[in-house]
Amino acid sequence: DAGVTQSPTHLIKTRGQQVTLRCSPKSGHDTVSWYQQALGQGPQFIFQYYEEEERQRGNFPDRFSGHQFPNYSSELNVNALLLGDSALYLCASSQPGEGGNEQYFGPGTRLTVT
Amino acid sequence: AQTVTQSQPEMSVQEAETVTLSCTYDTSENNYYLFWYKQPPSRQMILVIRQEAYKQQNATENRFSVNFQKAAKSFSLKISDSQLGDTAMYFCALPQGGSEKLVFGKGTKLTVNP
Repeated sequence: DAGVTQSPTHLIKTRGQQVTLRCSPKSGHDTVSWYQQALGQGPQFIFQYYEEEERQRGNFPDRFSGHQFPNYSSELNVNALLLGDSALYLCASSQPGEGGNEQYFGPGTRLTVT
Repeated sequence: AQTVTQSQPEMSVQEAETVTLSCTYDTSENNYYLFWYKQPPSRQMILVIRQEAYKQQNATENRFSVNFQKAAKSFSLKISDSQLGDTAMYFCALPQGGSEKLVFGKGTKLTVNP
């Protein structure tokens, strides 16, 4: 049973460019959350997708957008990249619940903006 | 808004000894969950242990146990018989408002020395 997978592993972009990160959830999970983890910090919630709709959003600008496909996989798009967007981007999948469900994390995508 | 504070940026312990990592939090919810996640140097975050706030009994998972004090809003993690494989970043996390949106602390870097 494959866990959460993310691609690519590493990415280097230039300021102002756009980037798309991809995530496949654990088998049987239909909820996908995205987190940004800056170096030396805890993950910060970006948004969550369920049934192909954005269900919750954290305190991130509209440059961050996402999508969920019918097979529950998800994409994170970031437009007009800033140096401060350099971070590890984590995808987590879970089953919908009342906050007590374990979230399964992928290995992350390391984004470097130069 | 929920907050999570981990006051120990780094800790070290000798193999086979016991170590306790601290976490305090703030929430206005009465019923909630608390989590400890482990992020080894390979980056994939995994759940260590989960506590339901309405349960008086502290959660235990093999060598890992928690000291949950609801009134004090304290949730510490005790690792017994530390092993080299326990070397990792440890994050305390609290779901926000009964959802799967996790609020993380800044983490504690634990090093287990041989």
